[in-house]
Amino acid sequence: AQSVTQLGSHVSVSEGALVLLRCNYSSSVPPYLFWYVQYPNQGLQLLLKYTSAATLVKGINGFEAEFKKSETSFHLTKPSAHMSDAAEYFCAVDSGGGADGLTFGKGTHLIIQP
Amino acid sequence: DTAVSQTPKYLVTQMGNDKSIKCEQNLGHDTMYWYKQDSKKFLKIMFSYNNKELIINETVPNRFSPKSPDKAHLNLHINSLELGDSAVYFCASSQAGTGGTGELFFGEGSRLTVL
Repeated sequence: AQSVTQLGSHVSVSEGALVLLRCNYSSSVPPYLFWYVQYPNQGLQLLLKYTSAATLVKGINGFEAEFKKSETSFHLTKPSAHMSDAAEYFCAVDSGGGADGLTFGKGTHLIIQP
Repeated sequence: DTAVSQTPKYLVTQMGNDKSIKCEQNLGHDTMYWYKQDSKKFLKIMFSYNNKELIINETVPNRFSPKSPDKAHLNLHINSLELGDSAVYFCASSQAGTGGTGELFFGEGSRLTVL
């Protein structure tokens, strides 16, 4: 069964600093991987997805993630944090089609310090 | 026009009551889901339907009964509500299957509080 592990339930960075949110996956087949963002009292919004094309994936709001098979990782980065980035971030994995849905990590709460 | 819409957004009710949440998607997707998000923000799949057929039924108490009248609608009825049912319930849809990447489109959630 596929799963994802997000290291750090809370990450705090200063405004303008690099954002790095970690995600490692476990999958028996080449995975599709996703990052979602959840702002307070809202639903989840897709940031970006990896579907076995380019290993460096660019998403919305200046975020990007790199798929590294050798490290089974899909870490999310943003060069310069903005106050509006404060939210909950979820990494998720899909085994590749079907109606099984996505398996989500436990989430990382990103705090931006002024 | 909202892609995945669910109602109501908030429910506050007493233990033992019955409540329903409705979900509709206008994306033309074949598959719809219910996820539960607990107080620690953990998301867990409850059910999935593909073209009105139940596909996934996770270990959820049988007090929870989904119903899909057509592929654009998926409702959730909960009987005999318990304190532990308090959570945010998310509806989602996807174009799963051949050619689909499994990307989920979420509604805004329905926050259920059981007193």
